Amino acid sequence: GAGVSQTPSNKVTEKGKYVELRCDPISGHTALYWYRQSLGQGPEFLIYFQGTGAADDSGLPNDRFFAVRPEGSVSTLKIQRTERGDSAVYLCASSLGSGVYNEQFFGPGTRLTVL
Amino acid sequence: GQQLNQSPQSMFIQEGEDVSMNCTSSSIFNTWLWYKQDPGEGPVLLIALYKAGELTSNGRLTAQFGITRKDSFLNISASIPSDVGIYFCAGRGGSQGNLIFGKGTKLSVKP
Repeated sequence: GAGVSQTPSNKVTEKGKYVELRCDPISGHTALYWYRQSLGQGPEFLIYFQGTGAADDSGLPNDRFFAVRPEGSVSTLKIQRTERGDSAVYLCASSLGSGVYNEQFFGPGTRLTVL
Repeated sequence: GQQLNQSPQSMFIQEGEDVSMNCTSSSIFNTWLWYKQDPGEGPVLLIALYKAGELTSNGRLTAQFGITRKDSFLNISASIPSDVGIYFCAGRGGSQGNLIFGKGTKLSVKP
């Protein structure tokens, strides 16, 4: 596809459950980013991949959050033992590379609701 | 997490009016970006700024990278109804990696 795609678009789960959120970056983009956007706030950085490796995971809030990108393309954000405070829109972005001028293009996000 | 100071928080203006919003940071940034987000969508890049003092236009939008590297503003001239949405500033301190976003300015335009 032409842009970043994310699935599912909406996910409702119960407290304590495990969820996986998927991101398909723009073809050929080597850098991939995950952000979390709470209501009324700007996106907040979670983790960034350059290729298959996590170059910076300093934004992950705790060890319940984990992300992978095994083949350097699709990425999955995994949240264990979900809590109500995890409810937010999870945005994925990709860029051609990770240097200056390689700007990030965002997907539509996955809205996660934890009941 | 860290966020930029963006103002105003919201604006309600008449179609045809000009709009101005700004963003400040306590840290120096090497890149300033402005995004627009519509409901249910991800942010869309409007303007990117890479040098202190740089002034860049994109149609009716003009943005500037502050000389101190700690601020930026976005102007929209002759607003139209489709300008409605939430505008975010974002900064990047290094040459690569994550963006730090403001809380957004919600723009409403009355026809």
